[in-house]
Amino acid sequence: NAGVTQTPKFQVLKTGQSMTLQCAQDMNHNSMYWYRQDPGMGLRLIYYSASEGTTDKGEVPNGYNVSRLNKREFSLRLESAAPSQTSVYFCASRTGTSAVYGYTFGSGTRLTVV
Amino acid sequence: KQEVTQIPAALSVPEGENLVLNCSFTDSAIYNLQWFRQDPGKGLTSLLLIQSSQREQTSGRLNASLDKSSGRSTLYIAASQPGDSATYLCAVNYGGSQGNLIFGKGTKLSVKP
Repeated sequence: NAGVTQTPKFQVLKTGQSMTLQCAQDMNHNSMYWYRQDPGMGLRLIYYSASEGTTDKGEVPNGYNVSRLNKREFSLRLESAAPSQTSVYFCASRTGTSAVYGYTFGSGTRLTVV
Repeated sequence: KQEVTQIPAALSVPEGENLVLNCSFTDSAIYNLQWFRQDPGKGLTSLLLIQSSQREQTSGRLNASLDKSSGRSTLYIAASQPGDSATYLCAVNYGGSQGNLIFGKGTKLSVKP
């Protein structure tokens, strides 16, 4: 099925370890986003890529880096994981920035940092 | 600061009831508003998207309305079913270079058989 695919679905890291969350979409969308969801906080934007070759910080970028590898793929990297980064991470995409376009979300990566 | 608020935080109704979920936003200069459904441990499923120029959108038993002047949107669910049990999220797109969504914290709906 067409959509946004995230890997892995679950991950446990020790403090200080690094990892990369992968996201790929097969809908030929231009814009891609990384959100985190925490209890009582709602979803917050970490980084986004308005188009291939560009990335920008969102509301909570500290401790993360991103790479827009190509039009399909947008990865999120934690260089030195901290317990505060325990969260559910969602990748999203959409065709472009016009008001007519809604967002499509992946199923999430549940990350625990111990 | 642009904020989105959803009331109530939780709602329990008997099967068959019609119900309304509320979403309010502080800045009326929106691009669009999107309602999502999230099942426990799952991702977000888009339900309805309303453009700033529209007043409402319908899909099956769901109807979403938008009143920009009052900063409000409602999601109406007709003839509720146990399968409608989930958390419903309202998200407002304010456009700009980011074009990102400002999310409410959601309404957790439980429909009892």
